[in-house]
Amino acid sequence: EVQLVQSAAEVKKPGESLRISCKGSGYSFTSHWISWVRQMPGKGLEWMGRLDPSDSYTIYGPSFQGHVTISADKSISTASLQWSSLKASDTAMYFCARLQLSSIGYYFDSWGQGTLVTVSS
Amino acid sequence: SSELTQDPAVSVALGQTVRITCQGDSLRDYNANWYQQKPGQAPVLVIYGKKNRPSGIPDRFSGSSSGNTASLTITGAQAEDEADYYCNSRDSSTNVLFGGGTKLTVL
Repeated sequence: EVQLVQSAAEVKKPGESLRISCKGSGYSFTSHWISWVRQMPGKGLEWMGRLDPSDSYTIYGPSFQGHVTISADKSISTASLQWSSLKASDTAMYFCARLQLSSIGYYFDSWGQGTLVTVSS
Repeated sequence: SSELTQDPAVSVALGQTVRITCQGDSLRDYNANWYQQKPGQAPVLVIYGKKNRPSGIPDRFSGSSSGNTASLTITGAQAEDEADYYCNSRDSSTNVLFGGGTKLTVL
């Protein structure tokens, strides 16, 4: 069974750094891209970027380039999302998801349970 | 444009048929996918590649597309189908796109 298990909820202050993680199991971690998706409170899904775990090649969504860093450690089948200086506006639920790139489209066939990040002074 | 537009809210009587739509220029070239999200849960893929259902998704869910509009149809809506539904696709720059979501109420 494919599983993506994310790290626990975090409460941080503005200006602090943070890394959250997503561990894949039940499949070949390096054979599928991983994406991160943001959902702000009461709002819709926003694509943040995607990473190829085989070589860590990363593409960021236009709204997130320069604001976050997506990375992976394939030796432990884990992808990460990190911030160097959090803002209150980073408060959101963050999902990782396995991205299928196929001839019929780009779609997310498995999702993590989500990590809630709260940034407040 | 690289946007996908959905109606914010739709309602359907129990057992009736409802169509949820997603509009965008990219849908002329690339297939849509659909996700169901219930409160406090992660999204679940219900339709991929315009019309394909993952295993475990009831056959009352179906997908179609015409021109710049993709549709998710629920035939015989059930109370458990009440949720937010999101479409997604891609653009020519290989960015992933999401629609704004549609809140489905089953009356």
